[in-house]
Amino acid sequence: DGGITQSPKYLFRKEGQNVTLSCEQNLNHDAMYWYRQDPGQGLRLIYYSQIVNDFQKGDIAEGYSVSREKKESFPLTVTSAQKNPTAFYLCASSIGRNQYTDTQYFGPGTRLTVL
Amino acid sequence: DAKTTQPPSMDCAEGRAANLPCNHSTISGNEYVYWYRQIHSQGPQYIIHGLKNNETNEMASLIITEDRKSSTLILPHATLRDTAVYYCIVRVDNNNDMRFGAGTRLTVKP
Repeated sequence: DGGITQSPKYLFRKEGQNVTLSCEQNLNHDAMYWYRQDPGQGLRLIYYSQIVNDFQKGDIAEGYSVSREKKESFPLTVTSAQKNPTAFYLCASSIGRNQYTDTQYFGPGTRLTVL
Repeated sequence: DAKTTQPPSMDCAEGRAANLPCNHSTISGNEYVYWYRQIHSQGPQYIIHGLKNNETNEMASLIITEDRKSSTLILPHATLRDTAVYYCIVRVDNNNDMRFGAGTRLTVKP
């Protein structure tokens, strides 16, 4: 059963703590992405990775960090430097070989609440 | 960046066709139009995409005007489970960012 998994679905953390969100895909996709969604708004790109061991900042990378040590995994760490971390976090992946027709497929999301 | 404009909300009767419009008047020649939908508290689901020809798949049809400045997503027989926010997106050509706007909240009513 191929797809993108994110865990956990709901996550609660105390203010000041770092937290890592998991994203795994078994679609053999080269590219992976992290987005953030706030209530009633569209998605905003945090980080993306087009290949293993390489990643680029998106529009709102401050306070976040990522790694891409394996093709199938792209974990996102929300650090204590992120001022408003409470949000719905979405991971996506795509084949990554054609910039204009590269459909992104999304995971189910992780809702992070910082208390 | 080509931006898109969608109505904030629409209603549709169950069993009828839902026609969701999108304006993208600044689209460039090599930018594709993508449609996704998002059901509450779930990840966005890919529906369909196209460049200039009309496209159809098992979920929907995409009609793009000849000048490519607008498009319409058609759900031929809407069901209650099609209630969601529908996003029209034009790809940004300098990276892989999918720029989701506010979308159209479609409510299918019995």
